[in-house]
Amino acid sequence: DAGVIQSPRHEVTEMGQEVTLRCKPISGHNSLFWYRQTMMRGLELLIYFNNNVPIDDSGMPEDRFSAKMPNASFSTLKIQPSEPRDSAVYFCASSSGSNQPQHFGDGTRLSIL
Amino acid sequence: AQSVAQPEDQVNVAEGNPLTVKCTYSVSGNPYLFWYVQYPNRGLQFLLKYITGDNLVKGSYGFEAEFNKSQTSFHLKKPSALVSDSALYFCAVREINDYKLSFGAGTTVTVRA
Repeated sequence: DAGVIQSPRHEVTEMGQEVTLRCKPISGHNSLFWYRQTMMRGLELLIYFNNNVPIDDSGMPEDRFSAKMPNASFSTLKIQPSEPRDSAVYFCASSSGSNQPQHFGDGTRLSIL
Repeated sequence: AQSVAQPEDQVNVAEGNPLTVKCTYSVSGNPYLFWYVQYPNRGLQFLLKYITGDNLVKGSYGFEAEFNKSQTSFHLKKPSALVSDSALYFCAVREINDYKLSFGAGTTVTVRA
C-alpha cells in the first residue's frame, strides 16, 4: 500500500513568496495532521482534520498559515507571505482511528531565504 | 495536560549488545503510548504501540517495549542492536479520548560496528 505522500520534498523560495505544501493521506484514513519539525522546537502539531473538517488549528503559528482539506484524499498547507523563520520540515500524517498510530509522510523540507 | 520525557539525548551501544531507550510520560487518564523511529530525511516510522492488555509489547524490527504503570514508563528495548538501528527515536503519548499526540524530544541512537 502507498503511504502518506507529500510534495514537494524540497522547496527553496524567497521570503514574501507564497508556499503551498501538499499531502495525500492513506486511503481510508479519516484523520489528518500537519506537523512542523525544527531543531529548536521539535515536533509541533499545526492542525488536525477529522473527516475533512478542521478540528483543532490552535497550533497554526500565525494568520499567514492556512490549511484546507477539500476531500478525503488531499490536503494543503499554505504560507503567505513566507518568512525565513518558517524554514523547517513539514510533515503530514494520517490515521484510521482513535487507537491507531499516525502514519507520516517523508516531509517537505522548506527553506525560506 | 500530557507530556513525554526522554531523558537521554544520545545512546551509544556496540552492535550485538542490548539497546534500551528510556521514556517516561505524564497523563491525567489512561495512556496510549507509541514509539516511532526517524531515519535521515525521512518521516517518522511507527514501531509499536501500547493500548491495553499485556504490558510487554512487541513491534517491528525486533523491538519491544514494556509498559510500567507504577513508574509511568515505556522503555524501548532490543536484545541485540544492529548498525542499521542507528536513528532518532521518539516516544509519544496521548490520552484515550484525545487525538493529540505529545512527542518526546527524541533520542539519537548510534550503534557502532
